[in-house]
Amino acid sequence: ETGVTQTPRHLVMGMTNKKSLKCEQHLGHNAMYWYKQSAKKPLELMFVYNFKEQTENNSVPSRFSPECPNSSHLFLHLHTLQPEDSALYLCASSQEGGGGYQETQYFGPGTRLLVL
Amino acid sequence: GQNIDQPTEMTATEGAIVQINCTYQTSGFNGLFWYQQHAGEAPTFLSYNVLDGLEEKGRFSSFLSRSKGYSYLLLKELQMKDSASYLCAVSQDGGATNKLIFGTGTLLAVQP
Repeated sequence: ETGVTQTPRHLVMGMTNKKSLKCEQHLGHNAMYWYKQSAKKPLELMFVYNFKEQTENNSVPSRFSPECPNSSHLFLHLHTLQPEDSALYLCASSQEGGGGYQETQYFGPGTRLLVL
Repeated sequence: GQNIDQPTEMTATEGAIVQINCTYQTSGFNGLFWYQQHAGEAPTFLSYNVLDGLEEKGRFSSFLSRSKGYSYLLLKELQMKDSASYLCAVSQDGGATNKLIFGTGTLLAVQP
């Protein structure tokens, strides 16, 4: 499945580093999402972009900074992270038609992040 | 608030049938999804229910009762490759964009 791609797949960084996660969707969708998946915890929604505009920031710390330059690309810029930020970061996309019903979200393979 | 409950782990035998339950409490309900996630891989879409009743798709079926806040995923003729985590997710009307609220997932182990 290559509909939603994410790079890098694995990342190890120190607490003073700055890094970026990249997501690209090839499905022609208009909405993109960042999720955090920690062990034994539910997938947590972080950010939502709809037509490149951020429509949801789920009380995410400012050390996570999203960027959506166009409908196909989504970035998550990371700086001064903490060890508890170690998790799988998943990107997803969907085609939101505004008709009320939830459209299916398609996920990328994720970036496994380890903060030392 | 929102609350989604599903069993943490289940074990079943190859060729058998297994039912994974999910109960939820949420406002602005806009449908319920089931996703399958193999270890180290992306969650993949299995089913979506927005009306009460049973949706059948091959070996997998999903049921919804909105009045009871209850859904289940039924897997028939289990295969070893069905060993995965099964995520229940409720869509909540979020105004500009609907939001998915996920349960912790049920880790299914299929044994020979």
